[in-house]
Amino acid sequence: EDQVTQSPEALRLQEGESSSLNCSYTVSGLRGLFWYRQDPGKGPEFLFTLYSAGEEKEKERLKATLTKKESFLHITAPKPEDSATYLCAVQATGANNLFFGTGTRLTVIP
Amino acid sequence: SAVISQKPSRDICQRGTSLTIQCQVDSQVTMMFWYRQQPGQSLTLIATANQGSEATYESGFVIDKFPISRPNLTFSTLTVSNMSPEDSSIYLCSLGGLDGYTFGSGTRLTVV
Repeated sequence: EDQVTQSPEALRLQEGESSSLNCSYTVSGLRGLFWYRQDPGKGPEFLFTLYSAGEEKEKERLKATLTKKESFLHITAPKPEDSATYLCAVQATGANNLFFGTGTRLTVIP
Repeated sequence: SAVISQKPSRDICQRGTSLTIQCQVDSQVTMMFWYRQQPGQSLTLIATANQGSEATYESGFVIDKFPISRPNLTFSTLTVSNMSPEDSSIYLCSLGGLDGYTFGSGTRLTVV
């Protein structure tokens, strides 16, 4: 059975304090791993898709990496506007839908 | 990427009543998905809706409780029937694309 575990559940950072969020996954065959950002009262906003181990993608202060068992979302010098819940999801081979983790709630303090 | 308009954005409903949530897409898409996000929990897939065929429901979700309409390639509705407080959640529609899966803004449902 597909499983996605995100840690930590919540993270408080000072502005400028870099850190990483973890997403561990178990899936029969990985078609893709997705990262989303969700602000309160809004739908998830797409950030990255990773397809194979060793792949990395960057967008502004965010960098996502992928291994065969986990993915990391690195946040460099975060700003208060980076505060949100970050969701990780996997798509199994042959599946059309995504299977989500419970998210990491990030708070960046000025 | 496609843009999804979802409504209502929120509603407060009496138990025993039904609510229909609408999603309109600005381009034609074959497959649409409906998710539920209960308070403090992850997104859970309710069903997959293809135009011209019956929706496919995930384990734990049934058509009588969550009937889905998919009349054309740009529109879908999800009805939450005979509501109870346990149905209080955020409901989201989604569709896939080359740039990843896009989500509507969500419908926050509170059942009292």
